Amino acid sequence: AQTVTQSQPEMSVQEAETVTLSCTYDTSESNYYLFWYKQPPSRQMILVIRQEAYKQQNATENRFSVNFQKAAKSFSLKISDSQLGDTAMYFCAFMKPRGNNDMRFGAGTRLTVKP
Amino acid sequence: DAGVIQSPRHEVTEMGQEVTLRCKPISGHNSLFWYRQTMMRGLELLIYFNNNVPIDDSGMPEDRFSAKMPNASFSTLKIQPSEPRDSAVYFCASSLSLSTDTQYFGPGTRLTVL
Repeated sequence: AQTVTQSQPEMSVQEAETVTLSCTYDTSESNYYLFWYKQPPSRQMILVIRQEAYKQQNATENRFSVNFQKAAKSFSLKISDSQLGDTAMYFCAFMKPRGNNDMRFGAGTRLTVKP
Repeated sequence: DAGVIQSPRHEVTEMGQEVTLRCKPISGHNSLFWYRQTMMRGLELLIYFNNNVPIDDSGMPEDRFSAKMPNASFSTLKIQPSEPRDSAVYFCASSLSLSTDTQYFGPGTRLTVL
């Protein structure tokens, strides 16, 4: 079974600074998908970024980027130029190869951006 | 474009009552997922459908839970009878197909069973 571990229950960062959230996972699959979802106080689950395991290039979406280390089974999220609106729970998620959309989530990291 | 729509947003009921949660997936999406989020267990997949057919319901906690998808634009998750331990936030998500990776979530329904 796949497991996803987020070892940082809570983090904080000053506005405009950079923060990195950690995620590790365990799988025997060679191809899979990884995601970071953001859940602000509104509870809405918002997709932040996704990464296909067969792509070596790290995904980037504006201020959000990942450091994907396949051999180490690590998938960290870097938020640059943090904004107050980035305050939220962040969930790392793993999904098996296509045809089976069973997605597993980590326990989440609560990020607070301080003014 | 409208996202995934869930109703109600909040539901408070008494133990033993029947609860029905509703979901409208994004138009054109063929796969639909129901999740439950609690402090203790985090986000758990309960069941998912493809082309209105249930594919995997192994995450449904017990027989009190049932889900249907009578057509491509509507799904329900029913709890009968409800218990206080069912209190959670229930999310519905949809994706284009089971061969498409990204799931888009609805706003969730916060259920409180007294």
